[in-house]
Amino acid sequence: SQKIEQNSEALNIQEGKTATLTCNYTNYSPAYLQWYRQDPGRGPVFLLLIRENEKEKRKERLKVTFDTTLKQSLFHITASQPADSATYLCALDPDTGRRALTFGSGTRLQVQP
Amino acid sequence: GAGVSQSPRYKVTKRGQDVALRCDPISGHVSLYWYRQALGQGPEFLTYFNYEAQQDKSGLPNDRFSAERPEGSISTLTIQRTEQRDSAMYRCASSSSEETQYFGPGTRLLVL
Repeated sequence: SQKIEQNSEALNIQEGKTATLTCNYTNYSPAYLQWYRQDPGRGPVFLLLIRENEKEKRKERLKVTFDTTLKQSLFHITASQPADSATYLCALDPDTGRRALTFGSGTRLQVQP
Repeated sequence: GAGVSQSPRYKVTKRGQDVALRCDPISGHVSLYWYRQALGQGPEFLTYFNYEAQQDKSGLPNDRFSAERPEGSISTLTIQRTEQRDSAMYRCASSSSEETQYFGPGTRLLVL
């Protein structure tokens, strides 16, 4: 069956360190994968999109990698800040062109000052 | 408006009643999506539209759920004969020709 897995345990790190979140998927061949941020009581907010032919994508302190062989994406936040504390969701389009996303359950990140 | 809006933000209803949830997408966005999100989970796809055409309704749980977008803008998700298991956060998102989806604040539905 198709699955998207994110670490359900919260990730606690110290301010200034790099946070690394993992997204693994099985039985999908997505054209792209997206990462969203969600704060309590709010809707998800788009952060980054990486396509199947891209190995890495950067935006300010954020970096995403995409390994279609391992079926894995890694999401990094460098020089983390307490304001980065949130739940981070990975999502993929299971059928090319459909654009109706399938989401993982998210990983909660807590950055301690 | 500047973003996706949804109404009502909270809806409490009794089991067996019908509810209608409204989504007003970002102006000009072609695609509109409905998701349902349980606590501690990611959004779960329900249905989506391009303009007024419903492209995919494979995520609707059963035939009590329906959605429409008659003029290609505002959309309504209707749940008939609500059941307690329908209680959840219902989220709407819209997108232009790009893949990025912009989510609304959601409607929290509680069925008593």
